[in-house]
Amino acid sequence: QVQLVQSGAEVKKPGASVRLSCKASGYTFSSYSIQWVRQAPGQGVEWMGWINAGNGNTKYSQKFQGRVTITRDTSANTAYMELSSLRSEDTAVYYCARGIWVATTAGYYFDYWGQGTLVTVSS
Amino acid sequence: DIQMTQSPFTLSASVGDRVTLTCRASQSISSLLAWYQQKPGKAPKFLIYKASSLEGGVPSRFSGSGSGTEFSLTINSLQPDDFATYYCQQYNSYPLTFGGGTRVEIK
Repeated sequence: QVQLVQSGAEVKKPGASVRLSCKASGYTFSSYSIQWVRQAPGQGVEWMGWINAGNGNTKYSQKFQGRVTITRDTSANTAYMELSSLRSEDTAVYYCARGIWVATTAGYYFDYWGQGTLVTVSS
Repeated sequence: DIQMTQSPFTLSASVGDRVTLTCRASQSISSLLAWYQQKPGKAPKFLIYKASSLEGGVPSRFSGSGSGTEFSLTINSLQPDDFATYYCQQYNSYPLTFGGGTRVEIK
């Protein structure tokens, strides 16, 4: 069965960077995208970006452009998301999800999700 | 950016009720809308795509409708497992955006 397993919780100081991982299993990793979204405490869901696990192409939300980098290691069926210059507002649960591509708009919806990783940014 | 607005913020209902949740887009998104269910401390669960297509394994009491800017998610005969927060998401254009959620709580 499809599973996305994320790395454990992180505590970071303002200005630092964090790198999260998302290990996929149960499907052909290179045939789908991996999406990253986040959810601040008590808040809604915010899309950050994606990586095409096959060719490595990426797309980022303009809000995070310059601060976020998504990569993948196809040999390990794992995607990574690095967020830099952390601030307190980045405290959130970060999710990876498998993206289903829609040809007409090149958009995605998300059919399987990881369990989430809590990132706390505090001095 | 396309803003997604969900209403109501909270909906109180009883087991067996039929409930309808609304999601509005700030501009037309055709039928490019998905719905998710989230329980506290858990990841969202995918329910519906293309506004009305049910994901496999999702109970048939869930249904979606709408196109353009107005969408709804209906749950027929609410079950105890359905008390959760529901989010809509548009995938018509970037950035992909979610609604703020509707919490379905026990009356």
